[in-house]
Amino acid sequence: SAVISQKPSRDICQRGTSLTIQCQVDSQVTMMFWYRQQPGQSLTLIATANQGSEATYESGFVIDKFPISRPNLTFSTLTVSNMSPEDSSIYLCSAGAGMETQYFGPGTRLLVL
Amino acid sequence: QKEVEQNSGPLSVPEGAIASLNCTYSDRGSQSFFWYRQYSGKSPELIMFIYSNGDKEDGRFTAQLNKASQYVSLLIRDSQPSDSATYLCAVKSSSASKIIFGSGTRLSIRP
Repeated sequence: SAVISQKPSRDICQRGTSLTIQCQVDSQVTMMFWYRQQPGQSLTLIATANQGSEATYESGFVIDKFPISRPNLTFSTLTVSNMSPEDSSIYLCSAGAGMETQYFGPGTRLLVL
Repeated sequence: QKEVEQNSGPLSVPEGAIASLNCTYSDRGSQSFFWYRQYSGKSPELIMFIYSNGDKEDGRFTAQLNKASQYVSLLIRDSQPSDSATYLCAVKSSSASKIIFGSGTRLSIRP
């Protein structure tokens, strides 16, 4: 299975600022995704990170708020822009060779004050 | 109607018994189904996936799929306190390359 790391593991940010979360996979993967999980809630897909092209966003998520980069097959970033307290959540990266082998990173716990 | 539905629980099962977790889905064209386990404060981990109608066994875990009824279940035999976690059912969309998660069932194994 792929080993996935995320940086930072947690952060406390002021409203109006931006935070970039990094996701690193120890092997080349086809698919990378970004999810959000509110406390006690399930996973909400933010977007699919496409290598070499623009990310595919889910309904309710826009590129201006959550810009995503994926420069190669092992790395992706998610930026949470112009943050508000409503953005406080756990942000998770998942990756895998295919849908059947999706593994999650440890998550980034974000608190916006 | 939610795309993937699960009873939120908590489901309390005595140690050593069989825990049965259920999930229904709305996308009739879905072909791939997954069960993830999530311990409190941790990220989800993949337990099993199933494609074909019937049962798929892996150790103490058995996934069951009935596409006609749009129903997936997970059985955990000889439940242990370490099985206490939230179990997430997930379904691969038939129209896009993404997985849709249910809200999860919280399972508690009581000694």
